[in-house]
Amino acid sequence: DAKTTQPPSMDCAEGRAANLPCNHSTISGNEYVYWYRQIHSQGPQYIIHGLKNNETNEMASLIITEDRKSSTLILPHATLRDTAVYYCIVRVVWDGGTSYGKLTFGQGTILTVHP
Amino acid sequence: DTGVSQDPRHKITKRGQNVTFRCDPISEHNRLYWYRQTLGQGPEFLTYFQNEAQLEKSRLLSDRFSAERPKGSFSTLEIQRTEQGDSAMYLCASTGLTNYEQYFGPGTRLTVT
Repeated sequence: DAKTTQPPSMDCAEGRAANLPCNHSTISGNEYVYWYRQIHSQGPQYIIHGLKNNETNEMASLIITEDRKSSTLILPHATLRDTAVYYCIVRVVWDGGTSYGKLTFGQGTILTVHP
Repeated sequence: DTGVSQDPRHKITKRGQNVTFRCDPISEHNRLYWYRQTLGQGPEFLTYFQNEAQLEKSRLLSDRFSAERPKGSFSTLEIQRTEQGDSAMYLCASTGLTNYEQYFGPGTRLTVT
């Protein structure tokens, strides 16, 4: 799986949008971009994933650049409960009928939302 | 609550003792994963099962570690002769046939004294 690079930490004011960047310049054509987050002392929580197109769900939006070498996770209205470590992961899901499994986590970005 | 449960949530043991952790995945999920997370690091993959078959093991999984999923439902992770370096959070995750989203349990925090 391709490696990702994320800033170690970011701050955001409550109620503002949090934009978390991720570089994945060696991503392959069949690799998806995934975002997970981990609130202190809990298991990681799935947020969103995408292949080429921008994606949105009830938690966040994922913007993937046209060359797929970077992406941004957007939390539109950050709350104090969004304070967590955010992990950007690139991962092959299916390749020629073979399904792949494991997630390879990096260090992630510590997002602190302050009042 | 993701629907993945782990037991116990915390375990303190003395060096040299054996410990066993249990993971109950979401009932219809056929894939189950174990990860280990040490302080300040992201989770690291240990092993994964598809139904009862163990399909991949990390080099992190030394011969003191063994994992089973006997009937393709719950799984156990056993650590024999624990060492202080085994102190970590042990996380379990499961996923269904689509394989897109892994749902994690709350983890078992192991402290070896």
